[in-house]
Amino acid sequence: GIQVEQSPPDLILQEGANSTLRCNFSDSVNNLQWFHQNPWGQLINLFYIPSGTKQNGRLSATTVATERYSLLYISSSQTTDSGVYFCAVVRRAGGGADGLTFGKGTHLIIQP
Amino acid sequence: GAGVSQSPSNKVTEKGKDVELRCDPISGHTALYWYRQRLGQGLEFLIYFQGNSAPDKSGLPSDRFSAERTGESVSTLTIQRTQQEDSAVYLCASSLGWQPQHFGDGTRLSIL
Repeated sequence: GIQVEQSPPDLILQEGANSTLRCNFSDSVNNLQWFHQNPWGQLINLFYIPSGTKQNGRLSATTVATERYSLLYISSSQTTDSGVYFCAVVRRAGGGADGLTFGKGTHLIIQP
Repeated sequence: GAGVSQSPSNKVTEKGKDVELRCDPISGHTALYWYRQRLGQGLEFLIYFQGNSAPDKSGLPSDRFSAERTGESVSTLTIQRTQQEDSAVYLCASSLGWQPQHFGDGTRLSIL
């Protein structure tokens, strides 16, 4: 199956700092999503980004499909950004719906 | 409802008992997915439905696990003769075809 690797596994930053999270995947994809899992376990959709660049407030993401990686940028970090960030993909095969393969996540801690 | 709804939110049961978990997808979403998240780990894909058909059941951990879906509506995940290793959060997601998957808050299952 497809492999998804996220880096770094852990990241501790001061409030106000910027960060870049990376996701590498081993095959062509037709779905790539970034999620934030908050301390209560809720999985929040951040971006649906199989290719290209998107921005939503302080967050932005870029996927370079030809090179099989995606980046999530967080600017001016706030303590509420703490949690685990997951990248998840669906391999491009058949073109229909299929389960997401998740990376192991980046555990982000923002200190006040 | 506006989002994916799962019930119960928490379930504690004795080893050997059967449990049934329920998922109500977003109205109109044709695809429905089940995932499992063990403590401190990423999400593991179990099964998906396109309509009421499950094309691939190979992700189910054992023959004690089964799932069904009524049309493009409610789905139930049943675990028979529960074991302690079944303790996890079970998450359900839905999507319109291969569009972004949206997750419920999960059912936290504890096997004593």
